[in-house]
Amino acid sequence: AQSVSQHNHHVILSEAASLELGCNYSYGGTVNLFWYVQYPGQHLQLLLKYFSGDPLVKGIKGFEAEFIKSKFSFNLRKPSVQWSDTAEYFCAVNAPWAGSYQLTFGKGTKLSVIP
Amino acid sequence: DAEITQSPRHKITETGRQVTLACHQTWNHNNMFWYRQDLGHGLRLIHYSYGVQDTNKGEVSDGYSVSRSNTEDLPLTLESAASSQTSVYFCASSESSAVGELFFGEGSRLTVL
Repeated sequence: AQSVSQHNHHVILSEAASLELGCNYSYGGTVNLFWYVQYPGQHLQLLLKYFSGDPLVKGIKGFEAEFIKSKFSFNLRKPSVQWSDTAEYFCAVNAPWAGSYQLTFGKGTKLSVIP
Repeated sequence: DAEITQSPRHKITETGRQVTLACHQTWNHNNMFWYRQDLGHGLRLIHYSYGVQDTNKGEVSDGYSVSRSNTEDLPLTLESAASSQTSVYFCASSESSAVGELFFGEGSRLTVL
């Protein structure tokens, strides 16, 4: 079974600061990796995903993430955050090649951006 | 546009009552999922289905049941609601593809008094 760890529970940044949110997963086989964002009071929306190819993936709103297989990591980055990035961020993994389509989520990181 | 809808969006019920949360998707996806979201726990999988007549238990399935009689719908039933089931419930769906991206509904907030 897969598991996902997100290292930071709550991150507080000023606008224009750089962001890096950590995510590590545990699974012995090939996985897909996702970052979802949940703005206050809303449902989850996909930020970006990795399933093969270039380990540096770019998503919406200037976010990117790097898959480092040797470290079982998929950290989310943004060079300069905005107030509108205030949200909760979830890392998730699934293993479709093993017939496992359900996502296993980390516990989430709440990001607060101060204007 | 294809979408996934949940109803009701908000519900208050009493301990011991049966509650059903509806989930309807028009993506024609084979896979459907129910998660609950609680502070400090993130999203945890309750039940999932990979097709009609297929249902599977997730991480936190006790006290919940689902049925899949068609492709579009996966209703979640709480047989006898408990206060511990106060939560926000999200339905999601996906294709049976190598990518397996999930698309989420708007959520149903359930309060059990």
